[in-house]
Amino acid sequence: EVQLVESGGGLVQPGGSLRLSCAGSGFTFSNYWMHWVRQAPGKGLVWVSRISSDGSATSYADSVKGRFTISRDNAKNALYLHMNSLRVEDTAVYYCARDTSNSWDTWGQGTLVTVSS
Amino acid sequence: EIVLTQSPATLSLSPGERATLSCRASQSVISYLAWYQQKPGQAPRLLIYNTSNRATGVPARFSGSGSGTDFTLTISSLEPEDFAVYYCQQRYIWPPWTFGQGTKVESK
Repeated sequence: EVQLVESGGGLVQPGGSLRLSCAGSGFTFSNYWMHWVRQAPGKGLVWVSRISSDGSATSYADSVKGRFTISRDNAKNALYLHMNSLRVEDTAVYYCARDTSNSWDTWGQGTLVTVSS
Repeated sequence: EIVLTQSPATLSLSPGERATLSCRASQSVISYLAWYQQKPGQAPRLLIYNTSNRATGVPARFSGSGSGTDFTLTISSLEPEDFAVYYCQQRYIWPPWTFGQGTKVESK
């Protein structure tokens, strides 16, 4: 079964840091681009970042550029999102998603990040 | 950045009725448009990709159509499990990949 499982969310103070992880299983992780998408409480879906299959290319939403870093370890079938200088407005459920080039067909269950003092 | 505008914001219907959801793009996305369903407390689920292709396991009552800037998701006869929020997403011009603001299909 193709599966993505996020972890690493939690409560952090403004200005703090957090690293999210996404573990892939049931497929050849290294063949796929991967994305992070977030959803603030009661709001819609917002794309955050993307990484190519080999990790050589990355993209970021303007709202997180310079603060967040996406990375992956294909040997461990793992995707990461390193989040620095966190702001209250970064509070959201963060999802990882698999990009098949036709669609984003698999999503994790999400991990909640709360930025609050 | 391509802006996707979904309408209506809320659709109040009864089981068995037909649901028609709209997604309009600020510029052409050709056919690179997908639809997702999201239920409370759950991750988004891919329904339709490339305008009209149903994802694996998606019932035939879900169909997508359109091209360019105007797209439609149709649910031919609503089942109780279809009441949810639906998002469209474009992957033609990126970054950023963008989503519509969502349409909530609620039980009347």
